[in-house]
Amino acid sequence: QQPVQSPQAVILREGEDAVINCSSSKALYSVHWYRQKHGEAPVFLMILLKGGEQKGHDKISASFNEKKQQSSLYLTASQLSYSGTYFCGTEAPGNTPLVFGKGTRLSVIA
Amino acid sequence: NAGVTQTPKFQVLKTGQSMTLQCAQDMNHEYMSWYRQDPGMGLRLIHYSVGAGITDQGEVPNGYNVSRSTTEDFPLRLLSAAPSQTSVYFCASRTGVGQPQHFGDGTRLSIL
Repeated sequence: QQPVQSPQAVILREGEDAVINCSSSKALYSVHWYRQKHGEAPVFLMILLKGGEQKGHDKISASFNEKKQQSSLYLTASQLSYSGTYFCGTEAPGNTPLVFGKGTRLSVIA
Repeated sequence: NAGVTQTPKFQVLKTGQSMTLQCAQDMNHEYMSWYRQDPGMGLRLIHYSVGAGITDQGEVPNGYNVSRSTTEDFPLRLLSAAPSQTSVYFCASRTGVGQPQHFGDGTRLSIL
């Protein structure tokens, strides 16, 4: 079952912040975040493992609340290069595949 | 390293034809998966494999077959193409549990 992402789309001006949320109805082992530019393949951003950790990657960070089966991706001081569609992928415990949400389209304008 | 290689990049088929989308990885990854991407639907899992000789169905397996005879290759077969299978298909691989997934460049398939 696909995780649920919100919002579906967001428009930002350069320098503004955004939060993208991901929730699952199943118990999770890990949450992955990917960014896809138009016409290209998704590219890995970060992974959060069971344990409720928070990670950062430049001005992009994420958190994982395993009790609520929720993850959030935080984009601060957005840049034009942040534009794209962001996907969360969830992994259940055991030998299971990554299942992705429908994506959040982020547009950063000057 | 080439990473995940998908062929062909583009393909047009007629309804009822069959074809195989190829996927190969040179990273010795155990886990491989096929996804299809349609507007507004995100990435939907078709089939996956956790090792050579092991495959399982994903969310949208109907009309597709897979096999995994080697660690490197994971072909996706369309048995009798239908217009509803027009999509962009991505193959992906990763080392195992809790590891990042690498995507191929995709195959853009149109069925008339």
